Amino acid sequence: DTEVTQTPKHLVMGMTNKKSLKCEQHMGHRAMYWYKQKAKKPPELMFVYSYEKLSINESVPSRFSPECPNSSLLNLHLHALQPEDSALYLCASSPRGAHTDTQYFGPGTRLTVL
Amino acid sequence: KNEVEQSPQNLTAQEGEFITINCSYSVGISALHWLQQHPGGGIVSLFMLSSGKKKHGRLIATINIQEKHSSLHITASHPRDSAVYICAVRTTQGGSEKLVFGKGTKLTVNP
Repeated sequence: DTEVTQTPKHLVMGMTNKKSLKCEQHMGHRAMYWYKQKAKKPPELMFVYSYEKLSINESVPSRFSPECPNSSLLNLHLHALQPEDSALYLCASSPRGAHTDTQYFGPGTRLTVL
Repeated sequence: KNEVEQSPQNLTAQEGEFITINCSYSVGISALHWLQQHPGGGIVSLFMLSSGKKKHGRLIATINIQEKHSSLHITASHPRDSAVYICAVRTTQGGSEKLVFGKGTKLTVNP
């Protein structure tokens, strides 16, 4: 299994909802990442987990809450989002912790906040 | 000024043409990545370079560390190559390594 999977593919939520995005990889990678990408812009790093510990938080608002229950799974919990949070959320993983080579990206979850 | 600059922003080519996309950066890097993003969002990592040249099929990537410049070449381009190509550099900021992305080059290959 050489891919990163993300669910759901699309999500529409209201500003008062609580939802979660899920990312999974079974390549034995030890670093996992969340990125946010707005239309026609490059991805922006949000969080990095290295060996299941949060190693980088790029000053992301607390309405986004990451969780890494195990080395294969990465969640992003969403609460009280704003319409400007609508974007493509990309998950990625890499083999040897944060200081490593190629990142493998998932297909993304397209989030719309109404 | 962005730390990673790509040119051109948009590129239209006819099937079969040789294509070059350029990336210049202004920071010290440990590696440079070329990524491909198709409409709908999924990103595929094409190359990771720290020196020299790599080739995979019709794709060739080169990097000149002294000049802080990299190029991605596509030979015998095909409509399925139509995508956004993103250059990203691995650099250290504030004591942490991170990827800094260019804004991407949108390539359209017409049949």
